Amino acid sequence: QKEVEQDPGPLSVPEGAIVSLNCTYSNSAFQYFMWYRQYSRKGPELLMYTYSSGNKEDGRFTAQVDKSSKYISLFIRDSQPSDSATYLCAIPLNSGGSNYKLTFGKGTLLTVNP
Amino acid sequence: DVKVTQSSRYLVKRTGEKVFLECVQDMDHENMFWYRQDPGLGLRLIYFSYDVKMKEKGDIPEGYSVSREKKERFSLILESASTNQTSMYLCASSAGTGFDSPLHFGNGTRLTVT
Repeated sequence: QKEVEQDPGPLSVPEGAIVSLNCTYSNSAFQYFMWYRQYSRKGPELLMYTYSSGNKEDGRFTAQVDKSSKYISLFIRDSQPSDSATYLCAIPLNSGGSNYKLTFGKGTLLTVNP
Repeated sequence: DVKVTQSSRYLVKRTGEKVFLECVQDMDHENMFWYRQDPGLGLRLIYFSYDVKMKEKGDIPEGYSVSREKKERFSLILESASTNQTSMYLCASSAGTGFDSPLHFGNGTRLTVT
């Protein structure tokens, strides 16, 4: 079983839709979770990070962790065409959460249509 | 704003050639990373460096070496390029190693080995 699994999509939604992007992970000891966004022809950039369980909100974006199910989600409210990108979940493999042992999901390609 | 600059956007090399990929960051970051990104495989860590002249192997170091002689510059070397090294190569830097210290990526070098 891979450490992090992510549905590659692609996902296509109309402008204004609520988007749900998801990853599952295998090791219940993981405590730190990140979402990176990658626009076409660009490198990834950190969007949000969370620690342990619960929700974290930043504007239209909400990151959610369900440790009992080993499931992490990124919700985008009122999606915009500018949100069209590939979204990658990332988890540090070591218990301390160090960023030099990140494992990335394969990424989900999202297109928001005007 | 952090800037990570990769010297070439596109590179075409022949099998057996020695290839140098160069990366420079302008924020005095301690840590630098080389990843490759392939469809269906996602981002995979090749090497990282936590200080000048210091390096650690990532998940897929075979066929690669690195050099960090100055803090701002991190080079990836393909000693004898092979067709299975055709990929998008992404360099990144970070100020610290905590999970809340984001990786700042360059825009990538697309290498084709023929």
